[in-house]
Amino acid sequence: NAGVMQNPRHLVRRRGQEARLRCSPMKGHSHVYWYRQLPEEGLKFMVYLQKENIIDESGMPKERFSAEFPKEGPSILRIQQVVRGDSAAYFCASSPGTAYTGELFFGEGSRLTVL
Amino acid sequence: QKEVEQDPGPLSVPEGAIVSLNCTYSNSAFQYFMWYRQYSRKGPELLMYTYSSGNKEDGRFTAQVDKSSKYISLFIRDSQPSDSATYLCAMSGGNAGKSTFGDGTTLTVKP
Repeated sequence: NAGVMQNPRHLVRRRGQEARLRCSPMKGHSHVYWYRQLPEEGLKFMVYLQKENIIDESGMPKERFSAEFPKEGPSILRIQQVVRGDSAAYFCASSPGTAYTGELFFGEGSRLTVL
Repeated sequence: QKEVEQDPGPLSVPEGAIVSLNCTYSNSAFQYFMWYRQYSRKGPELLMYTYSSGNKEDGRFTAQVDKSSKYISLFIRDSQPSDSATYLCAMSGGNAGKSTFGDGTTLTVKP
């Protein structure tokens, strides 16, 4: 499967624990985006990364949230000390980074439930 | 005020109907306009994208962009039950970077 791969698909955490969500972009894609979707709402931009660089983190909460896209390996979205309001579906998308057309290719999402 | 406003729905139509889905926006910098389809508990799937104003047709789907009115539409002809999903409009300013999404319209096509 050459699509965007996200894991875990489902994650349950208790308040105060840490959540780590991973995303491997499509083969040949160098740009990764993270979006959050609350129930019955649209996708809200969180962060845009290229390899080893955060390009735009204007949608990231100032505290507890961080993201990285290392030279080797998947992109990671990390949420520290989770609270109930963090329960949502987190989607990763990738794009080629060249000949930009606005197209994003999404993974199936990671659904975080905070108890 | 949100940058992108989407007709909220939900929308329910009989099979074979023509469906019109609409979004308005406020940011004049948007140049790329996309429509995504999202089935329940799945990731969004790109249906169509358009650069600047004009129409684009792909099978039963037609996307229209009117930049002067800051208004975009997606038309679905001969709608099928398999078209039942949530449709999201999205826009971006170009040069890579983030896309801004509408909140989605849920469509149900009844056999």
